[in-house]
Amino acid sequence: AQSVTQLDSHVSVSEGTPVLLRCNYSSSYSPSLFWYVQHPNKGLQLLLKYTSAATLVKGINGFEAEFKKSETSFHLTKPSAHMSDAAEYFCVVSDPGKLIFGQGTTLQVKP
Amino acid sequence: GAGVSQSPSNKVTEKGKDVELRCDPISGHTALYWYRQSLGQGLEFLIYFQGNSAPDKSGLPSDRFSAERTGGSVSTLTIQRTQQEDSAVYLCASSTSGTGQETQYFGPGTRLLVL
Repeated sequence: AQSVTQLDSHVSVSEGTPVLLRCNYSSSYSPSLFWYVQHPNKGLQLLLKYTSAATLVKGINGFEAEFKKSETSFHLTKPSAHMSDAAEYFCVVSDPGKLIFGQGTTLQVKP
Repeated sequence: GAGVSQSPSNKVTEKGKDVELRCDPISGHTALYWYRQSLGQGLEFLIYFQGNSAPDKSGLPSDRFSAERTGGSVSTLTIQRTQQEDSAVYLCASSTSGTGQETQYFGPGTRLLVL
């Protein structure tokens, strides 16, 4: 069965410092992996996705993630946090016909 | 173009009443999904439609929950005899094919509160 584990429920960074949100996955085959973001009282928005092409995936708003098969990881990074990045982030693995979500990581950005 | 829309945006109902939630997918998307987001359970899959048929209903939590899709477009999620534990945000998404590699586009959700 497919699953994802987000290793931190809450991450706090200062504005202008790097962001690292950690995700490990479990899959019996080569997975499709996604990061979605949800701002307060807003819908889910796709940040980026990995579908077995390049292992370093670039997304919107300066985010990127690296697929590491040997570590079964798909961590999300950003070099410099902005206040507007404060939101809930979900690591997601797909099955045909459904997405399986991690429990989410709340990113707090301090001025 | 227009994204996924859902109505109503908020619904307050009394325990035991039936509710209907509506989803309008992106035009041309053959796959449609329903998810539920609640504090205790996070984001969980409910049901998947390919066209008008539902090959995967495995996420529906009980037989009080049902969904249909007509004309390969609009979908309705119905909850009968609502319970307080049904309070959650119900999200609809659509995608081009349902293979799993394509992006699912989410609507804003319907926030359901059962009193």
